[in-house]
Amino acid sequence: GAGVSQSPSNKVTEKGKDVELRCDPISGHTALYWYRQSLGQGLEFLIYFQGNSAPDKSGLPSDRFSAERTGGSVSTLTIQRTQQEDSAVYLCASSLDSNLYYGYTFGSGTRLTVV
Amino acid sequence: DAKTTQPTSMDCAEGRAANLPCNHSTISGNEYVYWYRQIHSQGPQYIIHGLKNNETNEMASLIITEDRKSSTLILPHATLRDTAVYYCIVSGSGGSNYKLTFGKGTLLTVNP
Repeated sequence: GAGVSQSPSNKVTEKGKDVELRCDPISGHTALYWYRQSLGQGLEFLIYFQGNSAPDKSGLPSDRFSAERTGGSVSTLTIQRTQQEDSAVYLCASSLDSNLYYGYTFGSGTRLTVV
Repeated sequence: DAKTTQPTSMDCAEGRAANLPCNHSTISGNEYVYWYRQIHSQGPQYIIHGLKNNETNEMASLIITEDRKSSTLILPHATLRDTAVYYCIVSGSGGSNYKLTFGKGTLLTVNP
């Protein structure tokens, strides 16, 4: 597609349930990032994938969070046993490669609400 | 990465130039200045970046001072659609510098 596609756009889930958020990056972009934006806050880095290299998971807030990227394309962010503090907009971005010079292209995000 | 300081909010009249300042006094020689913006309910959007020379593209101009300790993003003819949070980010490019660290940014409100 022309841009970064994220699904679902909105997700309401009960506390304790698992959720999966999907990101479809721009074709040919080897770098993929997940960020989180809580209400009124800045963007918080979660995880980074680049090609076949080991991902940088340093931003994941707990072991309830995990992400994978299959075939170097689509990525899934999974949150297990969701908590109310997980409520946020989860943003995915892709880039031509890891060089910031090319800029990130962000998707519109998934708004997660844990009730 | 060097830290940046931006005003919390600014106002601009429609059709006038919007000048958004950013201080980055601890910037190092190989770090770039990047600008992104985030319109309400959307993901951030890349605007422009530069190292030491002034840059211009179809969206904006970036003026970087000679000592590189501050910069200004200029939207030459602001429209209502330019109302957004504008983020100034300083980071190296390449190698292990692949993360953008977003601060609180400046909320620019363009008024009719």
